[in-house]
Amino acid sequence: AQKVTQAQTEISVVEKEDVTLDCVYETRDTTYYLFWYKQPPSGELVFLIRRNSFDEQNEISGRYSWNFQKSTSSFNFTITASQVVDSAVYFCALGNGTASKLTFGTGTRLQVTL
Amino acid sequence: DSGVTQTPKHLITATGQRVTLRCSPRSGDLSVYWYQQSLDQGLQFLIQYYNGEERAKGNILERFSAQQFPDLHSELNLSSLELGDSALYFCASSPTHMPLGDTQYFGPGTRLTVL
Repeated sequence: AQKVTQAQTEISVVEKEDVTLDCVYETRDTTYYLFWYKQPPSGELVFLIRRNSFDEQNEISGRYSWNFQKSTSSFNFTITASQVVDSAVYFCALGNGTASKLTFGTGTRLQVTL
Repeated sequence: DSGVTQTPKHLITATGQRVTLRCSPRSGDLSVYWYQQSLDQGLQFLIQYYNGEERAKGNILERFSAQQFPDLHSELNLSSLELGDSALYFCASSPTHMPLGDTQYFGPGTRLTVL
């Protein structure tokens, strides 16, 4: 069975701090995909990144970076120099095997204050 | 804006009633997915359609049904509504039916409140 664990329920930081959101996944498949989505207060789910299981190269996009480590089954997300607009719930998700569905973690609520 | 549209944005109804949620996928996408987000269950996959055919089923109740029409828009029908059906319902779309590598882009959601 697939499972995604986001142990951090809520994180509060002050603007300009760096923050890392943790994601640990479980799967028996050798080929799978990992995703991060952002859900701002307005409620929509915004796609941030997709990473496949055979590409462990880390990725940076502006202030966002992702660290994928198969050895620890983790796909962590770091926001550098956080801003108030980063306040949202962030979901890690797993897509694998023959299932079309995404398995989501419970989300981490990030609150960035001035 | 993901390009996926959902209507209505909000829906308030009473227990026992039936509602229909509508989704239009991104231009060119053939797959449509439905998810339910509730406080106690989190984000749960309900069902997927690809080019008009049901492709995968998740935790969808028998009171719920969906279909995808020739123009690729999809509808999720919820009947005999219960208080516990109150949730945010998301539609997502992706280009193909292939599960691996396809990114699902989500619509803004329909917030259903059952009173």
